[in-house]
Amino acid sequence: GAVVSQHPSWVICKSGTSVKIECRSLDFQATTMFWYRQFPKKSLMLMATSNEGSKATYEQGVEKDKFLINHASLTLSTLTVTSAHPEDSSFYICSARLSGGPTVGYEQYFGPGTRLTVT
Amino acid sequence: QKEVEQDPGPLSVPEGAIVSLNCTYSNSAFQYFMWYRQYSRKGPELLMYTYSSGNKEDGRFTAQVDKSSKYISLFIRDSQPSDSATYLCASPGSAAGNKLTFGGGTRVLVKP
Repeated sequence: GAVVSQHPSWVICKSGTSVKIECRSLDFQATTMFWYRQFPKKSLMLMATSNEGSKATYEQGVEKDKFLINHASLTLSTLTVTSAHPEDSSFYICSARLSGGPTVGYEQYFGPGTRLTVT
Repeated sequence: QKEVEQDPGPLSVPEGAIVSLNCTYSNSAFQYFMWYRQYSRKGPELLMYTYSSGNKEDGRFTAQVDKSSKYISLFIRDSQPSDSATYLCASPGSAAGNKLTFGGGTRVLVKP
């Protein structure tokens, strides 16, 4: 149980275009999802917290107009990188928080990640 | 000072040895702790979660929390080459619903 999927797993796009990444909780409902960015050999950097039915909360320094997050249902959150530039190339990972679990719902389960390359 | 710190490694051990991983945290209000395993180019996988002090065991994995010294540990018994990965400790801090604060990760290499 507690499986999170991401699509696509790998995407190459041209500079100036937009890319959408989907994050789905497959076997549980997640009122809260998180989006992270990870550079090679570095730890995860939280970009934003996404709550179903409300606006995402962005971390300091993350441009909300560039990284659009939508959490339209309890099993789906999307991250859209708008007007992508080469410096946006990175590994993007989502996580979903299990609600009502045995440890009072704080476990986060991560997706497999999406590698974005902007040329 | 970072809130959660880990030695980056790499930590190299022979197959079958015990892997010992550690994290320190600075905020005494932290109560919940997790260990994740991350293979290269993959998302982190939750291994263990603990609350309060003491030990928790799950198969070959044992998580230990020492709140008096603000120190958390993960032990992997009978290590296998497939355990080679980066191990991340994390905490949502004092409240279960908080966002996670991650350590920098420790890279582990188990040599056959």
